[in-house]
Amino acid sequence: DQQVKQNSPSLSVQEGRISILNCDYTNSMFDYFLWYKKYPAEGPTFLISISSIKDKNEDGRFTVFLNKSAKHLSLHIVPSQPGDSAVYFCAASDGGGTSYGKLTFGQGTILTVHP
Amino acid sequence: EAGVAQSPRYKIIEKRQSVAFWCNPISGHATLYWYQQILGQGPKLLIQFQNNGVVDDSQLPKDRFSAERLKGVDSTLKIQPAKLEDSAVYLCASSWGSGGDTQYFGPGTRLTVL
Repeated sequence: DQQVKQNSPSLSVQEGRISILNCDYTNSMFDYFLWYKKYPAEGPTFLISISSIKDKNEDGRFTVFLNKSAKHLSLHIVPSQPGDSAVYFCAASDGGGTSYGKLTFGQGTILTVHP
Repeated sequence: EAGVAQSPRYKIIEKRQSVAFWCNPISGHATLYWYQQILGQGPKLLIQFQNNGVVDDSQLPKDRFSAERLKGVDSTLKIQPAKLEDSAVYLCASSWGSGGDTQYFGPGTRLTVL
């Protein structure tokens, strides 16, 4: 039962262009969403988050969009840089309701930014 | 501020052997998590501690996996006996509280079971 899905295993973009990573979820109890970035041989690093009361959150080059009716969120990176090349994980939780903030992760998308 | 520390970084064992992983969370963080990440998948929560009490171990295979967090600081995760399908990266994370608090991850321990 995959409650959080990242259907694109990989994405390749040119430096300076926009990267768009997508994530879908099925559990309507999820109300808090996060994106983590992971480099090889390192643990995931928190990137950006969004609460279900918002539909957009921006932090520098990174913007997360949430479409609750479609149960879909996306991460936009503009402009993309070679250092952004990593695995990106989408995660969701019910914000500490009955699950004490347990995170459910997607499978990850490998982003490669070419110089 | 020091991050989450884990050891060892790599471990190779044969099936049916035992193995233990250690985690030292960020100082002051009350909540500690152990995740299992199988190749090609996202991290899956095994167990969550709030201080030294367990708040979620619903996905921990309790017939072979055990974890403890003595004194509400360091934690150990043990597998006994290991199976081939336990080959994965075991990640430890910590946060100030639970709920929506950001989780900070350690580098992980890569376990290979032969």
